[in-house]
Amino acid sequence: EAEVAQSPRYKITEKSQAVAFWCDPISGHATLYWYRQILGQGPELLVQFQDESVVDDSQLPKDRFSAERLKGVDSTLKIQPAELGDSAMYLCASSTDREELFFGEGSRLTVL
Amino acid sequence: KQEVTQIPAALSVPEGENLVLNCSFTDSAIYNLQWFRQDPGKGLTSLLLIQSSQREQTSGRLNASLDKSSGRSTLYIAASQPGDSATYLCAVNQAGTALIFGKGTTLSVSS
Repeated sequence: EAEVAQSPRYKITEKSQAVAFWCDPISGHATLYWYRQILGQGPELLVQFQDESVVDDSQLPKDRFSAERLKGVDSTLKIQPAELGDSAMYLCASSTDREELFFGEGSRLTVL
Repeated sequence: KQEVTQIPAALSVPEGENLVLNCSFTDSAIYNLQWFRQDPGKGLTSLLLIQSSQREQTSGRLNASLDKSSGRSTLYIAASQPGDSATYLCAVNQAGTALIFGKGTTLSVSS
């Protein structure tokens, strides 16, 4: 069964360092999402792509976060510099034509 | 702005009970409503998708209903099992936009 792939699964970094997360969506899914989930909360959207174009990045802290999907397939989310408050689960999802979302296993970030 | 609320926040039941999880949303102009399951430290697993024109969807022991006019959905789990213990999340979207999530209901089923 096709899955959304994410790496790394776990990342521990010190504040002010740079960190990057990678996502490979299900083949054929044109829409890709990055969400952030703080413990005990529901996921919140950071950025939505349609192919290689950004559809919504209104909640992305652009002073330190960046996201790209250069060839409209896999995507990278970067944080530089990381802050203590960035500790969270970073979830990638892709969706079908009828907009059913499928998530990866997530990348757990701990900033010390 | 769309807001999604899930009640209760936590629920404990003995094995074998039927149970209902509730989800409400403030803007009834939704495109899809999707229920997910999340195990601790894991990603989200899609359980059921209800499109705006539908009233319910079923998968095995799960049944989800949608009442757009009242802004409510319920997830019914029949004959609960310890393996059902997880956090259940409800989310809605409008066409072309990302899902907006509730905070989830954490279910514990004891044997």
